Amino acid sequence: NAGVTQTPKFQVLKTGQSMTLQCAQDMNHNSMYWYRQDPGMGLRLIYYSASEGTTDKGEVPNGYNVSRLNKREFSLRLESAAPSQTSVYFCASSLGLDFNEQYFGPGTRLTVT
Amino acid sequence: SQQGEEDPQALSIQEGENATMNCSYKTSINNLQWYRQNSGRGLVHLILIRSNEREKHSGRLRVTLDTSKKSSSLLITASRAADTASYFCATPKSGSARQLTFGSGTQLTVLP
Repeated sequence: NAGVTQTPKFQVLKTGQSMTLQCAQDMNHNSMYWYRQDPGMGLRLIYYSASEGTTDKGEVPNGYNVSRLNKREFSLRLESAAPSQTSVYFCASSLGLDFNEQYFGPGTRLTVT
Repeated sequence: SQQGEEDPQALSIQEGENATMNCSYKTSINNLQWYRQNSGRGLVHLILIRSNEREKHSGRLRVTLDTSKKSSSLLITASRAADTASYFCATPKSGSARQLTFGSGTQLTVLP
């Protein structure tokens, strides 16, 4: 099992460009999450999907959109990148029940110039 | 807003020593989780403790939970250089049990 995979690993964008971060999990998990991590800070939730077909905003959703393509895949889109979106982005998944641990991908390091 | 906050922010110890990290949170919770993050990697789940548990062990890890003080501690015994990492506590977001809120972490350095 690969667990949670993310592509790309690194990306540099110019202000105003758009891109989609891809995430896939092979653990048959129901819930998936997108976080961002900035230096010296913990993770902040951008969006999550409690189950296939649903998505909800997290703590910092502005400037992002998500798509739960199917049970395995959850993508994060930046429509018009801004320097404030320079960060490391992590995708995670969990079974979706209460008291569940989350499994994280390796992260995407995004720089917006 | 952050629910859990770790203390200290940074900790440096010698190999073989014990490392203790603390987490304080603000609202009532039904469980608390600890995660480890090695440099440049994603987070890895270490242990989950439920609100009706006071202590839990996993290998060299010992986690305690004091719901009256709204605090938890993570003890790593006989530390190794490979334990060098950031450690985060995570608690369910108030009003949304399936969302986790992470603290800003404790950076542990174990010197050989």
